[in-house]
Amino acid sequence: DTEVTQTPKHLVMGMTNKKSLKCEQHMGHRAMYWYKQKAKKPPELMFVYSYEKLSINESVPSRFSPECPNSSLLNLHLHALQPEDSALYLCASSQRTETNSPLHFGNGTRLTVT
Amino acid sequence: QKEVEQNSGPLSVPEGAIASLNCTYSDRGSQSFFWYRQYSGKSPELIMFIYSNGDKEDGRFTAQLNKASQYVSLLIRDSQPSDSATYLCAVGGNTGGFKTIFGAGTRLFVKA
Repeated sequence: DTEVTQTPKHLVMGMTNKKSLKCEQHMGHRAMYWYKQKAKKPPELMFVYSYEKLSINESVPSRFSPECPNSSLLNLHLHALQPEDSALYLCASSQRTETNSPLHFGNGTRLTVT
Repeated sequence: QKEVEQNSGPLSVPEGAIASLNCTYSDRGSQSFFWYRQYSGKSPELIMFIYSNGDKEDGRFTAQLNKASQYVSLLIRDSQPSDSATYLCAVGGNTGGFKTIFGAGTRLFVKA
């Protein structure tokens, strides 16, 4: 069982829809991440939050909008996505970012854009 | 461009054998090294991490790090069919911020 919980597990959305992915952790971690993973590829970093502040945006298109309401929650708001955005979206947390401590991943959200 | 290289495999070993997975990295400033296991359709799961040169053992798993050669490996002893998965090598460091860079992964098959 993972200690990082992601909802929903699966999401199908049209290109004009607005949806949100949610992530929650109760391990007291102060760093949270969004990764995108396509089939047979490694996870690609999208965003990093450190102490609830956005610290890294890997030049992600503005149709992806992250939000960190508090230290336990991380959201990813989706709007006007393209079919090529279909992928597994992974949330992760770590104790902190300064020492690059191990990432703990959630189970992911399988996103399909039609 | 920081890179982490792994053989994509597949690596096939018989049950009970030792599986050896290798990884090289390009950034000499890297300070933390991780191995994740990922089953098909699932999320990555942390198996081992190592920060210092040498070996680190945890059950059937041993991680080996050689910073001079920029090389990290994972040995799986007494391989089981349940070990069949993709193994991702990941490298982190202080340069470039809080980024963990993943290799493309090695697919391991353990034959019963």
